Amino acid sequence: DAKTTQPPSMDCAEGRAANLPCNHSTISGNEYVYWYRQIHSQGPQYIIHGLKNNETNEMASLIITEDRKSSTLILPHATLRDTAVYYCIVRVAKGTSGSRLTFGEGTQLTVNP
Amino acid sequence: DSGVTQTPKHLITATGQRVTLRCSPRSGDLSVYWYQQSLDQGLQFLIQYYNGEERAKGNILERFSAQQFPDLHSELNLSSLELGDSALYFCASSGGVTQYNEQFFGPGTRLTVL
Repeated sequence: DAKTTQPPSMDCAEGRAANLPCNHSTISGNEYVYWYRQIHSQGPQYIIHGLKNNETNEMASLIITEDRKSSTLILPHATLRDTAVYYCIVRVAKGTSGSRLTFGEGTQLTVNP
Repeated sequence: DSGVTQTPKHLITATGQRVTLRCSPRSGDLSVYWYQQSLDQGLQFLIQYYNGEERAKGNILERFSAQQFPDLHSELNLSSLELGDSALYFCASSGGVTQYNEQFFGPGTRLTVL
């Protein structure tokens, strides 16, 4: 799986958009970008994933650059409950070679009132 | 609520002992994964089972073993426990290796070895 680089921490004001960047310059053509978050000692929570097109769901939007070397997770209106560690993970989505998630250090997002 | 359940929530035991952690996957999910999260190691993949068979192994110690039963629930057995085994243990499930493999995590079991 490709390695990812994320800033260790970010702050965001409540109600504003939170934009979390992730670099994955060694991503392969068949690798997807996944985002998970972990709210203090709870189980990680799946947020969104994408291959090359921008994706949006009820939780967030995922913007992937055209060269696929970086992406941004956008929380459009951050709330205090969005304070968590956010993990960007790049991996092959399908296949029988093992579907483990390789977690890095992630970004600690703190949403301030 | 992810639909994945884990028991017990907390476990306190002594060094040298053996414990069993239990995981019930989401209804219909065939894959179960175990992860360990300790303060110094972060979240690490231990092992994956798919429909009762071991599918992938991570940095799982020989003192640890797991299995997935016909009803798809899984157990992680930790033996000869050491202080360093104190950690959060998460189970996750997904729909199978041919799908997008979003993994859904349980609330975890916090193991404390004294």
